[in-house]
Amino acid sequence: EAGVTQFPSHSVIEKGQTVTLRCDPISGHDNLYWYRRVMGKEIKFLLHFVKESKQDESGMPNNRFLAERTGGTYSTLKVQPAELEDSGVYFCASSHLSDSRREQYFGPGTRLTVT
Amino acid sequence: EDKVVQSPLSLVVHEGDTVTLNCSYEVTNFRSLLWYKQEKKAPTFLFMLTSSGIEKKSGRLSSILDKKELFSILNITATQTGDSAVYLCAVSGGSYIPTFGRGTSLIVHP
Repeated sequence: EAGVTQFPSHSVIEKGQTVTLRCDPISGHDNLYWYRRVMGKEIKFLLHFVKESKQDESGMPNNRFLAERTGGTYSTLKVQPAELEDSGVYFCASSHLSDSRREQYFGPGTRLTVT
Repeated sequence: EDKVVQSPLSLVVHEGDTVTLNCSYEVTNFRSLLWYKQEKKAPTFLFMLTSSGIEKKSGRLSSILDKKELFSILNITATQTGDSAVYLCAVSGGSYIPTFGRGTSLIVHP
């Protein structure tokens, strides 16, 4: 079974530019989560999709962040315009909807550097 | 607000040593405590603990939860260089969304 994949591995952009991160969850996983880890801090929840619907987006920092999951498969997270404080590692995770334990499988992360 | 505190932040040991990593937490409507191992990339799942006093074991790793004192420990016996990683503790409450600690960075020297 293929794991969660994320693209790109690393992105370096200038302040004010736009970046789109992509996450492909494990096939058949309805739950998809985005997290972010800023250097020196803990991993923080951003939002949660169930299929194509946003279940919880309470962790999204501000309206420069837009997440989508059209068709309930892969998801994208767009940052526009990017600011310096957006730098960090963005993780995606997925889990079965029916799994009562809801164990989440993490992707390798996308390291975003805003200069 | 849910909170997870891990200690120590960093640990350097030699192969063969035994280490204990600590995780204390505050959470509303506790559901589970999770341990992850993060090497270069994705955090990989180690244990999920939901009940006090029941030790979970996987090879040289073991973990136990104390829901009364609100903490968990992760033990690694006879450490190997391959155990070098950041160990993350997370707790989930009513929403199933985990709150993570900052992690403990473990370095095992040969």
